Amino acid sequence: GNSVTQMEGPVTLSEEAFLTINCTYTATGYPSLFWYVQYPGEGLQLLLKATKADDKGSNKGFEATYRKETTSFHLEKGSVQVSDSAVYFCALSGSSGNTPLVFGKGTRLSVIA
Amino acid sequence: DAGVTQSPTHLIKTRGQHVTLRCSPISGHKSVSWYQQVLGQGPQFIFQYYEKEERGRGNFPDRFSARQFPNYSSELNVNALLLGDSALYLCASSLGGVGETQYFGPGTRLLVL
Repeated sequence: GNSVTQMEGPVTLSEEAFLTINCTYTATGYPSLFWYVQYPGEGLQLLLKATKADDKGSNKGFEATYRKETTSFHLEKGSVQVSDSAVYFCALSGSSGNTPLVFGKGTRLSVIA
Repeated sequence: DAGVTQSPTHLIKTRGQHVTLRCSPISGHKSVSWYQQVLGQGPQFIFQYYEKEERGRGNFPDRFSARQFPNYSSELNVNALLLGDSALYLCASSLGGVGETQYFGPGTRLLVL
């Protein structure tokens, strides 16, 4: 079945540091890939998405590229801010039929000033 | 535009009781999905409904049931509550097509004592 593996946290960075959160997936066909962010006490917010190989999703300075050859969708940001502190979830949605999201376990990011 | 709304926001129940959670999707969205997020984990898929029909079901016991109404709102019902049902229950809506983005509500936090 479909699955997502993302790097375990917590990740602690200083403000303006470079961020990478690794995500790899297992799926048949061509799934859509997503990054969601969850701030303390809140639901999930879509951060970015990509629907086909080599697509780059971007939003609020975050980027991730859909790499079919390495089955990866790593999240990056060049300069993190304290307000980026949250839990980040990588997820995929299947390419046919029933399309529930399959999530990774989440990576907690803490950014310190 | 209003996002996905869920009610109630918080709920405390005792073992053996029954609970009903409600969700209103984004206007124009015909698909609603339910997820359970246990503390420290990624969300797990429970149900997906599209046009009032069940499209998919995750690996949850029959104590969990759901339905979708003609206005596309949805209810999740859980019978005979167990301590392990304590979690954040998330509702997501989408247009319903393959790979479509799912937009999440703020969730209902259920505590079973």
